[in-house]
Parts: sequence; structure tokens; C-alpha cells
Amino acid sequence: DVKVTQSSRYLVKRTGEKVFLECVQDMDHENMFWYRQDPGLGLRLIYFSYDVKMKEKGDIPEGYSVSREKKERFSLILESASTNQTSMYLCASTSGDTEAFFGQGTRLTVV
Amino acid sequence: GQSLEQPSEVTAVEGAIVQINCTYQTSGFYGLSWYQQHDGGAPTFLSYNALDGLEETGRFSSFLSRSDSYGYLLLQELQMKDSASYFCLERLGGKLIFGQGTELSVKP
Repeated sequence: DVKVTQSSRYLVKRTGEKVFLECVQDMDHENMFWYRQDPGLGLRLIYFSYDVKMKEKGDIPEGYSVSREKKERFSLILESASTNQTSMYLCASTSGDTEAFFGQGTRLTVV
Repeated sequence: GQSLEQPSEVTAVEGAIVQINCTYQTSGFYGLSWYQQHDGGAPTFLSYNALDGLEETGRFSSFLSRSDSYGYLLLQELQMKDSASYFCLERLGGKLIFGQGTELSVKP
């Protein structure tokens, strides 16, 4: 059974903290993605990676960075968390043009 | 701006047929996918169209017209469990871009 695993289901952090969201996939996929999902705005792409150590900005990269040191792991980093980064974060992976597999999401609250 | 346009919500009754439309950006288009997401859950893949025409998977079908930059998801014999959000998705270069989603409510 294919699997994308996000490290936390729920997370509460304080403003200004550095936050790490981890995503691991066991399908040997080249491509991995980080999205945030907010009511009325759908899923918006933050960053994506098509290979180890490669990263590309998505549509809303400001305030975020990413790390892909190993093929199976893609980390999203909030350098200094702010309340407007309170959201549901979803990780996905895919090997090609068709099906993308998603993790269960991390609901982050910044207080 | 948003490159994929779909209605924000649709309501239908059990047993009915509903169509959810999606118009997409043309440049760099590879194909159109559809995903379902229940409240609190992860999006799950439903179908993919790279070529014009209809793809059928059980009660769900998806259609693509490249000349019109348009596709739709057709859900037949609606059931209460089909109440969810439905997203169209296209690949632009290396990006996977989602529409804003259509919330489907199925009534008894």
C-alpha cells in the first residue's frame, strides 16, 4: 500500500518559532510538493521538488523554505512562524503526470 | 491568478447525476486530473484525461476537450457519501496546480 506520511497531524506553535513539517514517501517518487489549504482558497502550492537537493518555488513561497536531502523526505520550514501561517499543510508525491498521493495533512496553529 | 476555474458549490439529490466543470490554462498543458476530498481527509485521485474524450470508472466519468480548454467530472447515481469537495488539477511544467474546488452536497 503506497504511503505518504506527514510527521504530525496537529501542531501548535508560537509566533516567531522555527517550525519543521516533515513528509516521507515510500514509493521512490521523484516529485514532491507542499501545499497549504485554506477555506475558500483551495490548495495553493508553496514549493515543489523534482529531485534530491532540487527545489522550485510554487505560487506562495514567501515565509517558507524547503529541504530535500534524501529522495523519500521533503521538509517544509517556517523560518519564523506567523499567525497568518495558521493553515492545513498537505504534502504530495508523484512519479509522473497522473496520480498524486497525499499525506493526511498537518493542521498548524500559530498563536 | 487562478488558472483553473470551477464552480464553488453544487447541490444535488440522491440518485441524480451531477456534472462539475473545469476550465484550464492552455499553455504547457499535459492533462487534467480530478480529486475528491472529504472533510478532514486527504485528496484522493479519481481520474485523469490526457486526450479528448470520456474516461469512465464506475459511477464516475471524466471528459476532456482540448480545443475548448475544458473538462468535467460526471457523477452518476449519487450517494450521500459523495458529499465532498472535488478539485480539478493540471500540470504546468513541474507544478501541479489545483482549482479552488467544488463543494458537492448530496441531499436525501
